[in-house]
Amino acid sequence: NAGVTQTPKFQVLKTGQSMTLQCAQDMNHNSMYWYRQDPGMGLRLIYYSASEGTTDKGEVPNGYNVSRLNKREFSLRLESAAPSQTSVYFCASSEYLAYGYTFGSGTRLTVV
Amino acid sequence: GQQVMQIPQYQHVQEGEDFTTYCNSSTTLSNIQWYKQRPGGHPVFLIQLVKSGEVKKQKRLTFQFGEAKKNSSLHITATQTTDVGTYFCAGPGGSQGNLIFGKGTKLSVKP
Repeated sequence: NAGVTQTPKFQVLKTGQSMTLQCAQDMNHNSMYWYRQDPGMGLRLIYYSASEGTTDKGEVPNGYNVSRLNKREFSLRLESAAPSQTSVYFCASSEYLAYGYTFGSGTRLTVV
Repeated sequence: GQQVMQIPQYQHVQEGEDFTTYCNSSTTLSNIQWYKQRPGGHPVFLIQLVKSGEVKKQKRLTFQFGEAKKNSSLHITATQTTDVGTYFCAGPGGSQGNLIFGKGTKLSVKP
């Protein structure tokens, strides 16, 4: 039982490049989330999906897009990466909104 | 908007000493959750408190939810090096009821 799987674990991008961070959960959870974590800033919500078929903006959505592909998968896309998007990205899921999150192991992204 | 604040931001203790982190919300919470993140790792769910005045224990960890459901604390008795990490509290909030995380308390333990 893998829980929440994120790929890739590490990535270096050049400014202006695009990429998609993948996230999949095998716990039949309804809700999924994308957070970024920066030193001194804690965990900031980028986008979330309360249930399959819905997505909503979080605290810091600018520069990102998401797709809830199905109940298992929730991807995060950076269309034109900027150095300010250098961060650690965590995907999480929960059975219901705001109920006991399970986090993936994270993606460390560097934009140069 | 709703805020969840944690103090202290950092705590350095000698192994065997006790440790407490405090969490305060600007609004009443339906529940409070605690997570632990080891260095280089990801946050891991520890516990959820729901009732006013609730106290729960997990071995050397004691979690409390305030009577007004606006504050909470995590107390670790006789810290060990395995307790090192950042402890986050979180409560439902936001425009759609998703979790609002505090900025965490980073605990270091000197052997």
